[in-house]
Amino acid sequence: QKEVEQDPGPLSVPEGAIVSLNCTYSNSAFQYFMWYRQYSRKGPELLMYTYSSGNKEDGRFTAQVDKSSKYISLFIRDSQPSDSATYLCAMRGYNFNKFYFGSGTKLNVKP
Amino acid sequence: GAGVSQSPRYKVTKRGQDVALRCDPISGHVSLYWYRQALGQGPEFLTYFNYEAQQDKSGLPNDRFSAERPEGSISTLTIQRTEQRDSAMYRCASSLARGGREAEAFFGQGTRLTVV
Repeated sequence: QKEVEQDPGPLSVPEGAIVSLNCTYSNSAFQYFMWYRQYSRKGPELLMYTYSSGNKEDGRFTAQVDKSSKYISLFIRDSQPSDSATYLCAMRGYNFNKFYFGSGTKLNVKP
Repeated sequence: GAGVSQSPRYKVTKRGQDVALRCDPISGHVSLYWYRQALGQGPEFLTYFNYEAQQDKSGLPNDRFSAERPEGSISTLTIQRTEQRDSAMYRCASSLARGGREAEAFFGQGTRLTVV
């Protein structure tokens, strides 16, 4: 079993829709949870990170962490065609520095 | 610099040759990571440096792979006697790693290695 599981998609939504992206994980030692956006042929770009449980909002993006369920989510409100990319979740523990990534979910927002 | 810089962007090499991939992290970032990313997959951990110390190399596939960061800034990932299975995108990331920003790792554009 992989440390981090993520549905690869692709996920196709109309412009303006609310998008929900999710990851599950198995290691209860994970404390930092990140979301990266990766456009085609580009490097991953950090969108948001959250420490421990709870919610974090930044503009149209909201990250949620539920450590009891080992489940994290990224919500995108009022999705735009420019949001079309692959979204990667990543996580690490407090006492170790290795980041574990999901395989990425490809999102397509149709105009 | 403004971001993590990797060179070369593309490298084509013949099987059996050695290659050296370079990473120039964001100025002041103490943590440096090397990852490998296959098409359609997330980055896979290779190795980690804290300043010049290589603190975790558990992800290096075999002893043909090595990395160094002698002065705590620029890092080089070296692959000896390359094989076709080494073909991938190699990504470097750096992090300030303190002040509550431990999770903020920034990636470079990567080096696309093709072994023919």
